[in-house]
Amino acid sequence: DSGVTQTPKHLITATGQRVTLRCSPRSGDLSVYWYQQSLDQGLQFLIQYYNGEERAKGNILERFSAQQFPDLHSELNLSSLELGDSALYFCASSPWTSGSYNEQFFGPGTRLTVL
Amino acid sequence: GNSVTQMEGPVTLSEEAFLTINCTYTATGYPSLFWYVQYPGEGLQLLLKATKADDKGSNKGFEATYRKETTSFHLEKGSVQVSDSAVYFCALHGSSNTGKLIFGQGTTLQVKP
Repeated sequence: DSGVTQTPKHLITATGQRVTLRCSPRSGDLSVYWYQQSLDQGLQFLIQYYNGEERAKGNILERFSAQQFPDLHSELNLSSLELGDSALYFCASSPWTSGSYNEQFFGPGTRLTVL
Repeated sequence: GNSVTQMEGPVTLSEEAFLTINCTYTATGYPSLFWYVQYPGEGLQLLLKATKADDKGSNKGFEATYRKETTSFHLEKGSVQVSDSAVYFCALHGSSNTGKLIFGQGTTLQVKP
């Protein structure tokens, strides 16, 4: 158990819908990361938040947005869903400070299926 | 930009066989390199890491050496077990301004008894 929790574990929805994925980081970790794992794109970095502020952005679609709340949990919002958005979405957390690398601890993931 | 390339899988081995999973990278500067493992139905776990050239990371019998001259970080284990069956990801951290990781495409390892 990494200490990172994600809900829900599975999500099945239809094209055009909007969903919210939730992540609670390990106690004390200020940084949260979102990754998307799909068969064709592999494991791709989406976005990083540090203490409530966006820190880095990867290949995140404009239909996707995220935020980190004062209690440090994070939500990833996916809207106008398409079939190609079906994937496993991972959240990770780390203590992270600029200028160094800290181990990232991954949650179990949310499997999103868009029908 | 930075990238990681791993050997294609799946890799199927018999128990106690020697394992090598190749990983090469492209990066500017001096990245840190990692191997993560994903067991079925679970998230990724850090297996080992190396933060500078010639460093050797090791854990649970797995080893990888950071080779700057060949831009490689190959994963090896002398004797695999059935419990090592998983997906293995090579990754790099190239920027000190973010914690972003760049992953290879993953290599599935299946170990048969």
